[in-house]
Amino acid sequence: GIQVEQSPPDLILQEGANSTLRCNFSDSVNNLQWFHQNPWGQLINLFYIPSGTKQNGRLSATTVATERYSLLYISSSQTTDSGVYFCAGDYKLSFGAGTTVTVRA
Amino acid sequence: EAQVTQNPRYLITVTGKKLTVTCSQNMNHEYMSWYRQDPGLGLRQIYYSMNVEVTDKGDVPEGYKVSRKEKRNFPLILESPSPNQTSLYFCASRGPQGDGYTFGSGTRLTVV
Repeated sequence: GIQVEQSPPDLILQEGANSTLRCNFSDSVNNLQWFHQNPWGQLINLFYIPSGTKQNGRLSATTVATERYSLLYISSSQTTDSGVYFCAGDYKLSFGAGTTVTVRA
Repeated sequence: EAQVTQNPRYLITVTGKKLTVTCSQNMNHEYMSWYRQDPGLGLRQIYYSMNVEVTDKGDVPEGYKVSRKEKRNFPLILESPSPNQTSLYFCASRGPQGDGYTFGSGTRLTVV
């Protein structure tokens, strides 16, 4: 299966800051998604984004399929944004190791 | 509300006692799958099902069974649980091309 690399592994933000998370894939991928795992362990679907750009409130994502990467942007971060962010792709949905985001008030 | 429902949310059991974790989706999705999440190992696929009566192994199928007798349900069966199956389990379903995966709320299983 494909390899998924996420960076950075950890991110500490002050409330109100902006940030960018990156996801690289070892091969071309379909079914690319971003998820947020909240402190209670639930996996929340943020974006299904095999290509292009999407926005949802303070979050947006861009996938450049030809270069095998995707970016997740968090703007004006809030403490509720804390948790682990995963990207995943391919027909079996291979996951990256995640980026742990901590937003401090 | 479109959702994937797993039960139970938490389960503590003893080695060797058969258990079933249920998964049901109300979105008429063909594709369903099971994952386990472990610290340092991330999320790994256990089994998946392309449609009714069609299932196949994922990356870590040993010690698990599944069945897909009807479209909405995809139970995960541990015939003889062992402590190394202590984990957080997720069920997911996926719609037609253009839809993403929807995950259940997870089942935290402890085998002692």
